Amino acid sequence: GESVGLHLPTLSVQEGDNSIINCAYSNSASDYFIWYKQESGKGPQFIIDIRSNMDKRQGQRVTVLLNKTVKHLSLQIAATQPGDSAVYFCAENVSFKAAGNKLTFGGGTRVLVKP
Amino acid sequence: DGGITQSPKYLFRKEGQNVTLSCEQNLNHDAMYWYRQDPGQGLRLIYYSQIVNDFQKGDIAEGYSVSREKKESFPLTVTSAQKNPTAFYLCASSPGLAGYDEQFFGPGTRLTVL
Repeated sequence: GESVGLHLPTLSVQEGDNSIINCAYSNSASDYFIWYKQESGKGPQFIIDIRSNMDKRQGQRVTVLLNKTVKHLSLQIAATQPGDSAVYFCAENVSFKAAGNKLTFGGGTRVLVKP
Repeated sequence: DGGITQSPKYLFRKEGQNVTLSCEQNLNHDAMYWYRQDPGQGLRLIYYSQIVNDFQKGDIAEGYSVSREKKESFPLTVTSAQKNPTAFYLCASSPGLAGYDEQFFGPGTRLTVL
């Protein structure tokens, strides 16, 4: 399949370990953040989102942490599995903008799960 | 099954030719989007549409055109004016343009200019 990012930062993690993916966002007015997972040759899939009135949100095996002070977002994946191998993108949005739902995407991080 | 379909999956074009990428959704979403993805980079917005017969330029609209004649369809034309068209193109839709509306993505079309 195609590679969606030939020169992406890569996180290698042992199967069963926890993964932490980091993202620095640029717009201090952003108040909505999303993590997407993209497998090779496919479109991004929604993982989890968080609004700026929260610091932490948990889903199934995933947790997103938001630090607005330093404009930093992280995605934690518990007990990483081979199916978690993919490229992960963060996206930010200013929800109250008149132009609406225009996401700004980060550059992505490739996660490789070693058996 | 509800979802977004893009066709073709792979597309080859000679320099100087226009080419149209298809995007269809049966999610009854009002808003649709086109993004471009290059290796090592995130997604960049080309055009978006909030409603039929209306669309707005995104961050990299030069060399592209769109139409929105039907709610379920948002085709993208890559014109000869686009200087570096080889890329992975992704279509998305959302229920509306509200800032918290989740965007659902299609499987993408990989365009290669020969």
